[in-house]
Amino acid sequence: DTAVSQTPKYLVTQMGNDKSIKCEQNLGHDTMYWYKQDSKKFLKIMFSYNNKELIINETVPNRFSPKSPDKAHLNLHINSLELGDSAVYFCASSQQGTAIYTFGSGTRLTVV
Amino acid sequence: GNSVTQMEGPVTLSEEAFLTINCTYTATGYPSLFWYVQYPGEGLQLLLKATKADDKGSNKGFEATYRKETTSFHLEKGSVQVSDSAVYFCALSDPDTGGFKTIFGAGTRLFVKA
Repeated sequence: DTAVSQTPKYLVTQMGNDKSIKCEQNLGHDTMYWYKQDSKKFLKIMFSYNNKELIINETVPNRFSPKSPDKAHLNLHINSLELGDSAVYFCASSQQGTAIYTFGSGTRLTVV
Repeated sequence: GNSVTQMEGPVTLSEEAFLTINCTYTATGYPSLFWYVQYPGEGLQLLLKATKADDKGSNKGFEATYRKETTSFHLEKGSVQVSDSAVYFCALSDPDTGGFKTIFGAGTRLFVKA
């Protein structure tokens, strides 16, 4: 069983479109995250949620809207996609207080 | 603000060579420190961690010691294998955010030749 699963694995779309990425974890963790990894492998936090509540919003454009329907899911919706949104997006989870992350395998988003 | 700086790669070594990847940090308070590894096409995996000064984290032959006096957490391995080829990330749990944010270094790519 995959601990943190993201779908889709690859996403190619045109500028201006709206797309969603889904993430689910079966580890019983209470904290989930979205990170963006650019082409140089630099990882930057976007959001963190604890028990469905938004804790960290790292000055991400409001075209990005996360939603956490329950502790096991954290989805990311992106409106009006831009070329600069092309990256690999990683979902991760942890148990509060440990900061030990389990990462999903990533979603490679390409905006053309 | 809090940050992590690690040596630029790529690092290229022959099998059985000694590995050091340098990592230094800037933080208010006392962060936990981590090394993560990313294999091609995969997400990051925790390699080792240390939660307080002088702690040594170790796993799969890799070691790193939390040095508060030099604000460092260098990764070492005595004898690398081809299968160790990956990108290695040093990270700290940001103490200013109650542990809800981990800051990653830029990553160091390691190539090990047979």
